[in-house]
Amino acid sequence: GAGVSQSPSNKVTEKGKDVELRCDPISGHTALYWYRQSLGQGLEFLIYFQGNSAPDKSGLPSDRFSAERTGGSVSTLTIQRTQQEDSAVYLCASSLFVGGSYNEQFFGPGTRLTVL
Amino acid sequence: KNEVEQSPQNLTAQEGEFITINCSYSVGISALHWLQQHPGGGIVSLFMLSSGKKKHGRLIATINIQEKHSSLHITASHPRDSAVYICAVPPYYYGGSQGNLIFGKGTKLSVKP
Repeated sequence: GAGVSQSPSNKVTEKGKDVELRCDPISGHTALYWYRQSLGQGLEFLIYFQGNSAPDKSGLPSDRFSAERTGGSVSTLTIQRTQQEDSAVYLCASSLFVGGSYNEQFFGPGTRLTVL
Repeated sequence: KNEVEQSPQNLTAQEGEFITINCSYSVGISALHWLQQHPGGGIVSLFMLSSGKKKHGRLIATINIQEKHSSLHITASHPRDSAVYICAVPPYYYGGSQGNLIFGKGTKLSVKP
């Protein structure tokens, strides 16, 4: 079956512009996660959604970052007034949530964001 | 102190060698993940384990919950195993497990033919 897909694969923008990154999780996965990986840095948690529960936004670095998940499926990560330090690969993952436990996460290919 | 520590940071091996990558963590967890990231490639989940040992092909992962330590072993290593191996844990808080992952900095493995 189809894996996690993300679009666009690459995005170049100018400082100060807003960007939207999209994630399509695996069908049936109720948990969806956003991470980012900056050049030379490790992976960093941003936000995750589980079913109809309020999202865990504890990893968002500033109020310029927000995310939505519509209909329990597709998610959009929005970065407003982009800064150069926002340049990174943004990764989406999804998983099942069964019996009160999160299962193995499946990662998308990522969106490489470059802010000029 | 990082909540997830991996060692070594870099590892170079000859083809055929047995490889061990270690991960120690300081938070309470419900399970531990081992991930693989090839250069320029995406991230693939190798294992998710909460106790004992799991084996998949030439890869073996072990975990000791009491000691808060896990190891990833690769037997008969091959150049195609060259990648970054990342240990990650979802922190377990009172009331249930959390979904997000805390990542180690990764171990860059290079296997020479």
